[in-house]
Amino acid sequence: DAKTTQPTSMDCAEGRAANLPCNHSTISGNEYVYWYRQIHSQGPQYIIHGLKNNETNEMASLIITEDRKSSTLILPHATLRDTAVYYCIVRVNRDDKIIFGKGTRLHILP
Amino acid sequence: DAGITQSPRHKVTETGTPVTLRCHQTENHRYMYWYRQDPGHGLRLIHYSYGVKDTDKGEVSDGYSVSRSKTEDFLLTLESATSSQTSVYFCAISKGASNQPQHFGDGTRLSIL
Repeated sequence: DAKTTQPTSMDCAEGRAANLPCNHSTISGNEYVYWYRQIHSQGPQYIIHGLKNNETNEMASLIITEDRKSSTLILPHATLRDTAVYYCIVRVNRDDKIIFGKGTRLHILP
Repeated sequence: DAGITQSPRHKVTETGTPVTLRCHQTENHRYMYWYRQDPGHGLRLIHYSYGVKDTDKGEVSDGYSVSRSKTEDFLLTLESATSSQTSVYFCAISKGASNQPQHFGDGTRLSIL
């Protein structure tokens, strides 16, 4: 199963772009990269996912390197409400399980 | 928000008692999942279902059973609760394809005394 490596914590100033890195060097060719976040005491919230191409939605952008061994989640204008634990996940195909790692705790500084 | 309702939201019970948690969805999604979340362990999959009456074990299934008699409901049962099962339990749903995300409920906080 592909696994991911993320920094334990990061800080970002309010209003600036938050760039959260993720390494997934053992990813298989047909596995998607997913990002979720969890705000304290709430259920995980889906943010974005991608396979090869960069993706953008109303919440964030996902940049995947050409070799697919790493990716970066970009929150373009971070606010205090973006303070959360962010999980980078590689979707395991064969039985649709998701393996959550420990994630990155993002602190948005006022 | 995805149409997922977990009940109860909070429960306190005693060791040895049976406990059933319910997950109800209004999205008609094929896949449903139960996770538990504990400090230091993150989210861990307990059981999941890929259709009515079709279920399978996750990584921490011991002490838990599940049932899915209707598409919209997925029940998690602790036959004889133990203190180690004190946790926050999350239900999730998805359409099932690898390019479809899972959407999570708000969780049930369960305390076993």
